[in-house]
Amino acid sequence: KAGVTQTPRYLIKTRGQQVTLSCSPISGHRSVSWYQQTPGQGLQFLFEYFSETQRNKGNFPGRFSGRQFSNSRSEMNVSTLELGDSALYLCASSLAGQVPRTGNTIYFGEGSWLTVV
Amino acid sequence: AQTVTQSQPEMSVQEAETVTLSCTYDTSESNYYLFWYKQPPSRQMILVIRQEAYKQQNATENRFSVNFQKAAKSFSLKISDSQLGDTAMYFCAFHAHGSRLTFGEGTQLTVNP
Repeated sequence: KAGVTQTPRYLIKTRGQQVTLSCSPISGHRSVSWYQQTPGQGLQFLFEYFSETQRNKGNFPGRFSGRQFSNSRSEMNVSTLELGDSALYLCASSLAGQVPRTGNTIYFGEGSWLTVV
Repeated sequence: AQTVTQSQPEMSVQEAETVTLSCTYDTSESNYYLFWYKQPPSRQMILVIRQEAYKQQNATENRFSVNFQKAAKSFSLKISDSQLGDTAMYFCAFHAHGSRLTFGEGTQLTVNP
């Protein structure tokens, strides 16, 4: 069974550009969440999608957005990139169902390394 | 809002010895789950162990076990017979809603030969 797949793994962008990251969850998982990891801020929750709907959102500016498709694949987009957006972006998936508090195990992808220059 | 605190930024242990990583959390939730994840240099987040808050029995997974003290809001990880492959950053995480995790700052564990 394939794990959580994130693409691209590495990318370099220039300030002001936009970027789109992709995440394919484990087969059968309908919940996808995104995290930003930086040395200074640690691991911070961006947002969670379930059945194509955003269910939770972290404290990030509107430049950060996401969406989920009917096959549960998810994308996140960052517009008008800033140097501080340089980070490892982690995607995670789980079997979390309609009832939020399911406590299902959450599996992570290998992440997408974004460098903004 | 939940907070998770790991007060040990770095720890080291000799191979084959036992080490305990500390984690405290704060929440008003009554039903929640706690996890320990490890992140080796590859940066892949790997689940080590999970604990349901409603279970009094501490979770164990081979060489890994937890000491869950619900009243004290404490959730420590004990690694027995430490191996070189255990060298990694360890994160304590809180989970109560959907797939949202709240992470601690992490503890860098180094296992020395």
